[in-house]
Amino acid sequence: GQQLNQSPQSMFIQEGEDVSMNCTSSSIFNTWLWYKQDPGEGPVLLIALYKAGELTSNGRLTAQFGITRKDSFLNISASIPSDVGIYFCAGQAIDSNYQLIWGAGTKLIIKP
Amino acid sequence: NAGVTQTPKFRILKIGQSMTLQCTQDMNHNYMYWYRQDPGMGLKLIYYSVGAGITDKGEVPNGYNVSRSTTEDFPLRLELAAPSQTSVYFCASREPGTGSGYTFGSGTRLTVV
Repeated sequence: GQQLNQSPQSMFIQEGEDVSMNCTSSSIFNTWLWYKQDPGEGPVLLIALYKAGELTSNGRLTAQFGITRKDSFLNISASIPSDVGIYFCAGQAIDSNYQLIWGAGTKLIIKP
Repeated sequence: NAGVTQTPKFRILKIGQSMTLQCTQDMNHNYMYWYRQDPGMGLKLIYYSVGAGITDKGEVPNGYNVSRSTTEDFPLRLELAAPSQTSVYFCASREPGTGSGYTFGSGTRLTVV
């Protein structure tokens, strides 16, 4: 099945650093969603994007819907310990009957 | 509100056994989904439902069955468990409409030995 290309696969960062991750697809999407998954829990929606070029923030998190409609980016500024977890992008293609396609996740680890 | 509730949280099955994973939501969402998540991978859709009495296959339906007799409940059945079904299973629901975010349950970790 189709999956999004999400990178990086994992990140080791120092507390206070900024973080960037992205997802790319060969298909055009009309919606991009970014989720965070904590250990032992289901994914929780962070940011939803609905228009090409859209830039949306949620606290220290900022996500953008790429102009080509085939990519999206998530940035986390000034990371803190509670940011650790796995971040997933998910996209909805135009002809998908509202089904989501998921990236494989970016695991964020903060170095002690 | 409880949101999406999944039971059990953990289960160990022997090969060939059967079981039902329960999923209930109290948000009156019409759309419900079952996903599996293998280690290091994203979510793969098993089955979904757009309303009571309506179900459809997702990307990886083999070895599973579902039913949707009420809006609230969407159980997932494994008839003959196989080691390949060892995974974490997530149920999700959402409101109809373009791009509405999904609400996930906390998952069921299943091991088949």
